[in-house]
Amino acid sequence: KQEVTQIPAALSVPEGENLVLNCSFTDSAIYNLQWFRQDPGKGLTSLLLIQSSQREQTSGRLNASLDKSSGRSTLYIAASQPGDSATYLCAVRKGTQGGSEKLVFGKGTKLTVNP
Amino acid sequence: DTGVSQDPRHKITKRGQNVTFRCDPISEHNRLYWYRQTLGQGPEFLTYFQNEAQLEKSRLLSDRFSAERPKGSFSTLEIQRTEQGDSAMYLCASSLAGGAGEFFGPGTRLTVL
Repeated sequence: KQEVTQIPAALSVPEGENLVLNCSFTDSAIYNLQWFRQDPGKGLTSLLLIQSSQREQTSGRLNASLDKSSGRSTLYIAASQPGDSATYLCAVRKGTQGGSEKLVFGKGTKLTVNP
Repeated sequence: DTGVSQDPRHKITKRGQNVTFRCDPISEHNRLYWYRQTLGQGPEFLTYFQNEAQLEKSRLLSDRFSAERPKGSFSTLEIQRTEQGDSAMYLCASSLAGGAGEFFGPGTRLTVL
């Protein structure tokens, strides 16, 4: 059974700091990995999707890396802003060839960026 | 089409009542997923459809839960004889087949009194 763990559970940083969020998964046979952002009481917004054959993806101030063999991914946020405050969720998909099955999520990291 | 929509956004019901939620996916997406999220937890998979076919159901989806996607477009999730433990955020997502990534709706917050 796939299990996804996110560390730390919560993180508070001053504005402008660079930070790293960690995600680990127990079964390395994944199809892809997604990072999401969730604001309180809201749905999920997809940030980055990394296919199993890729090592990293970048979007603006965000960079996500994937080390499938060790079962780890990191989300790097550069020059953090108060607007980045949210819960960040990591999710992996175990898909068959060309397939797309359910996402298995971690519990998330709650990020607070202080002005 | 501005994204995945869900209705209602909030639902308060008494224990034992039936409730139904609706999800409208992004129009060209053939896959539709339902997840449930409780406070402090990540979303948990409930079921998914490819077009109108329900391809996978979680063991979390007890006999009181049923989901349909009759024409391969919108989907409904019904919970019969609600229990307090059903209180959660119910999230719908859609995607194209092939692992292109899910787009989530805003969720329906269910409170069972």
